[in-house]
Amino acid sequence: GESVGLHLPTLSVQEGDNSIINCAYSNSASDYFIWYKQESGKGPQFIIDIRSNMDKRQGQRVTVLLNKTVKHLSLQIAATQPGDSAVYFCAELSGGSNYKLTFGKGTLLTVNP
Amino acid sequence: NAGVMQNPRHLVRRRGQEARLRCSPMKGHSHVYWYRQLPEEGLKFMVYLQKENIIDESGMPKERFSAEFPKEGPSILRIQQVVRGDSAAYFCASSLTGTHNEQFFGPGTRLTVL
Repeated sequence: GESVGLHLPTLSVQEGDNSIINCAYSNSASDYFIWYKQESGKGPQFIIDIRSNMDKRQGQRVTVLLNKTVKHLSLQIAATQPGDSAVYFCAELSGGSNYKLTFGKGTLLTVNP
Repeated sequence: NAGVMQNPRHLVRRRGQEARLRCSPMKGHSHVYWYRQLPEEGLKFMVYLQKENIIDESGMPKERFSAEFPKEGPSILRIQQVVRGDSAAYFCASSLTGTHNEQFFGPGTRLTVL
C-alpha cells in the first residue's frame, strides 16, 4: 500500500485566507519530504522540502511542518491566491533510497475569488 | 535556460502498437527519472537512469516496458504492444546529481490507448 497519503482529497478556500494541506506517512525511516504543486496539464513543481531533523521550514508564503511523533506533514500557504489553485502532493524518499520519490494521492486546492 | 522537455505532449495509440516517449533533461543534468501517473493518483516511480546506464528499474513492469538514456540524445521510455491500462501521464524528471537533489519535472506525455 501507499506509504504516503493525504487526509483530504479537496480543499476550498477564499482568496486571502490561509490554507493547510495535510499528509500522513507510514515509514518512520523516511528522512526527507517534499511538497509539490501540480497545475492542470503540467508536471509537478517543487515548492519546499524538509529533512527529518527539522520540525519546521519556511519559504515565501509557505511553511512546512513535520511531526515525526505522529508521522504527519503539513503545508501551510499564507494569503492564498487564485494562482495557488492546483493539486498538491507530498512526497518522501522511500526505502532507504536517496532518489526514489513516493508520492501521495494529492489534494486539490481551489481558491475562490 | 530550458527546463526538462518531453515530447510528444499527447500520444494516442491503438492496442498492440508501440509508444515512444522522449525526455530531454535540463542542461547539465545527467540523472533522469521516469514516473507514471494514473488519473487522480500520485506519481509512481518507474526507472532511474544515468547516461548509458540503468541504475534502478524496480518500478518498471517486467514486460513490454524499457528505458534508455544514450550517450547522445534524449532518454526514451518505450512501451511495446500497448494495452488500455497503459493510458496515463508519464513524467520525466532530471537532477544534477542523484543524491537528495531536487528533481525538476517535465510537462509530461499523456498517453491514450484506444
